[in-house]
Amino acid sequence: RKEVEQDPGPFNVPEGATVAFNCTYSNSASQSFFWYRQDCRKEPKLLMSVYSSGNEDGRFTAQLNRASQYISLLIRDSKLSDSATYLCVVTRPSGSARQLTFGSGTQLTVLP
Amino acid sequence: NAGVTQTPKFRVLKTGQSMTLLCAQDMNHEYMYWYRQDPGMGLRLIHYSVGEGTTAKGEVPDGYNVSRLKKQNFLLGLESAAPSQTSVYFCASSLDGYYGYTFGSGTRLTVV
Repeated sequence: RKEVEQDPGPFNVPEGATVAFNCTYSNSASQSFFWYRQDCRKEPKLLMSVYSSGNEDGRFTAQLNRASQYISLLIRDSKLSDSATYLCVVTRPSGSARQLTFGSGTQLTVLP
Repeated sequence: NAGVTQTPKFRVLKTGQSMTLLCAQDMNHEYMYWYRQDPGMGLRLIHYSVGEGTTAKGEVPDGYNVSRLKKQNFLLGLESAAPSQTSVYFCASSLDGYYGYTFGSGTRLTVV
């Protein structure tokens, strides 16, 4: 079983739609949680951190449920520019260090 | 611009050749990482470093070596390239391993 699992999609939605992505993680020692965005043939870039209380950044809302080991991302009023792959990412201890573990990503295409 | 710089951006190697990928960061980050990204697999950690002179193995270290002689540089070496090492390689850095991961733009390596 992968440590971080996401529905790979693809999700094809019309402009203006609301779309939700889900992610589960298996390591209960995971400490911090993020959504990254990756455009085609580009590097991943941080979209937002995810906190237990839930957090919002404009049209984007992220939720974390530690008990269920579940993370979600909601995008409202989708724009064409939201088309990308969304990566669920967690950090966990590794010896004396911490490291990121990535999900495989969920591909989103917003259609005109 | 401040950030993470990877060189080269593209490279084609013949099976059995060796090469070194360079990652340089100017943010005074302690943590540096090398990932590879393959279709459907997400990003997988190869090696990482928690400070100058330190290195540690990640999830897929076989066939790779690393060195961090200077804090700002993290080198990834392929000793004897194999077609299975065809991938996109990303370097990342972080101040403390929790937040603020910055990625380089990637190196596309093809081994024929």
